[in-house]
Amino acid sequence: KAGVTQTPRYLIKTRGQQVTLSCSPISGHRSVSWYQQTPGQGLQFLFEYFSETQRNKGNFPGRFSGRQFSNSRSEMNVSTLELGDSALYLCASSLTGLETRDTQYFGPGTRLTVL
Amino acid sequence: AQRVTQPEKLLSVFKGAPVELKCNYSYSGSPELFWYVQYSRQRLQLLLRHISRESIKGFTADLNKGETSFHLKKPFAQEEDSAMYYCAPRNNFNKFYFGSGTKLNVKP
Repeated sequence: KAGVTQTPRYLIKTRGQQVTLSCSPISGHRSVSWYQQTPGQGLQFLFEYFSETQRNKGNFPGRFSGRQFSNSRSEMNVSTLELGDSALYLCASSLTGLETRDTQYFGPGTRLTVL
Repeated sequence: AQRVTQPEKLLSVFKGAPVELKCNYSYSGSPELFWYVQYSRQRLQLLLRHISRESIKGFTADLNKGETSFHLKKPFAQEEDSAMYYCAPRNNFNKFYFGSGTKLNVKP
């Protein structure tokens, strides 16, 4: 099976712009979660989608949003970019996200740099 | 509040020395426990899970319910073990949160 894929791999934006990141989960996986990874804060949970609905949400401002399509592919959008949004954004998929023993499979990440 | 703590941001050991990466949690019930690892320039991946009682790459993790800890151990560290390690307890209320991570640096 193909792994989780994320596009683009690298992005450079300026403050105030918006950005959209894409994630394709492993075939058959219906839960997609997003994380922000920075050296200082580690791995911060953004949100999780299942069946095109946001099911869980972390503690991020409303500038961070997402959606999921019927084929389980997911996009994450960040509006009005700030310098502090520079990070590696990771996407992970799991079968249902309902079972506590579900393993998460991570993509390679999108490196976002905000200038 | 449910919380997972990895007290060491950075842990440096010499090759061949024992290593222990600490993870403490305050979760209700009996959570499932995982360790994830991220090697340089590689994606984050599952290292081991408590329920499997397995040893992966020489690492084991013992659940101590009394102390609510799930420390990751290896008796003889190798340079290729250098990576970022994340502890991840999971229950019905927290399926997506990770600890803050410990960077392991194994020196030659």
